[in-house]
Amino acid sequence: DAKTTQPTSMDCAEGRAANLPCNHSTISGNEYVYWYRQIHSQGPQYIIHGLKNNETNEMASLIITEDRKSSTLILPHATLRDTAVYYCIVRVARNQAGTALIFGKGTTLSVSS
Amino acid sequence: ETGVTQTPRHLVMGMTNKKSLKCEQHLGHNAMYWYKQSAKKPLELMFVYSLEERVENNSVPSRFSPECPNSSHLFLHLHTLQPEDSALYLCASRRLAGDPSSYNEQFFGPGTRLTVL
Repeated sequence: DAKTTQPTSMDCAEGRAANLPCNHSTISGNEYVYWYRQIHSQGPQYIIHGLKNNETNEMASLIITEDRKSSTLILPHATLRDTAVYYCIVRVARNQAGTALIFGKGTTLSVSS
Repeated sequence: ETGVTQTPRHLVMGMTNKKSLKCEQHLGHNAMYWYKQSAKKPLELMFVYSLEERVENNSVPSRFSPECPNSSHLFLHLHTLQPEDSALYLCASRRLAGDPSSYNEQFFGPGTRLTVL
């Protein structure tokens, strides 16, 4: 599986957009980009995933560059409750139990008022 | 609430104790996972079960013994643990659908915070 590189930490003002970058320069054609987040002392929560097109759901938007070597998770209007560790994971979308998520260190996003 | 519950939420045990962690899901999922999260470390995958059979064991010490009696329940039996085993233990589940290219997200429980004295 492709490795990912994320900044260790980021700050964001409440109400502003939070843009979290992720580099995955060794991604292969059949690997997807997944984003999860983990609020302090809770289990990780799925946010969004994509292959090459930009994706949007009620939580966030995912922008993937044309060469697929990097992506950005966008939280359009960050709130204090968005303070969490955000994980960018690259993984083949094989429908097998063994394709479990492998987590890195993620980005700690701190949203302040 | 994700539909995955874990009990107990907190556990303190001595090194000679035997205890069990329980995970339960009623989401109709057929794959379940145990992860360990030590302080300031990434989540580590410990065990994978698919259709109640263990399919992956990431070189976890034998003092951790998983059990999956049915598709809704997963246990982690603990015995003679070490202080360095103190961590947050997370259970997750997932539905394996028929389409091999489809992605079904993993749902995580809240975790059990384990302290070994």
